Amino acid sequence: GQQVMQIPQYQHVQEGEDFTTYCNSSTTLSNIQWYKQRPGGHPVFLIQLVKSGEVKKQKRLTFQFGEAKKNSSLHITATQTTDVGTYFCAGRDSGGSNYKLTFGKGTLLTVNP
Amino acid sequence: GAVVSQHPSRVICKSGTSVKIECRSLDFQATTMFWYRQFPKQSLMLMATSNEGSKATYEQGVEKDKFLINHASLTLSTLTVTSAHPEDSSFYICSANRGSRETQYFGPGTRLLVL
Repeated sequence: GQQVMQIPQYQHVQEGEDFTTYCNSSTTLSNIQWYKQRPGGHPVFLIQLVKSGEVKKQKRLTFQFGEAKKNSSLHITATQTTDVGTYFCAGRDSGGSNYKLTFGKGTLLTVNP
Repeated sequence: GAVVSQHPSRVICKSGTSVKIECRSLDFQATTMFWYRQFPKQSLMLMATSNEGSKATYEQGVEKDKFLINHASLTLSTLTVTSAHPEDSSFYICSANRGSRETQYFGPGTRLLVL
């Protein structure tokens, strides 16, 4: 079955440093979504990427979808303490069933003020 | 944005009892709802996909007789953990699709502790 791998598992940075998490799928994806889960909270949708090579920005966050639609990345510029949480990528197989997403294991980001 | 609620938010029960968790889409009709399980510091594991008016589709390794799912309306799905055991203790989260959109809106989750 489809597998979605995400690295690193943990990342600790000083406030102001950049952060990147990477996501790789074993199969071609129709789209990829990114979610953020704060400690003790539930996942919150951040963005969806659909097109090959797509790049989207949300303030300090930059999301990329690979040309082959099998990998993606999330980059945060100049991290802040409010960025703390676990970032999950989730992909839907291009040949997959209705709306089912496969989540990566997530990257836990901690920020030292 | 779309709102999904879950009830209860937290439940403690004795081993052998059954627990029902409700998932409601408050401001939209959800043709598909999903039930996930999350262990501490781990990812979300999809348990089943629930479609209104039809039987749920369970992921491999998930016992359908243990985790009963009912999707009686376009705004409500329930997960019943039957004869709960301590190993069923976990964070259960539901999500819902809004129409044809593929974004999943997550509920706040239910923390289950089985003693």
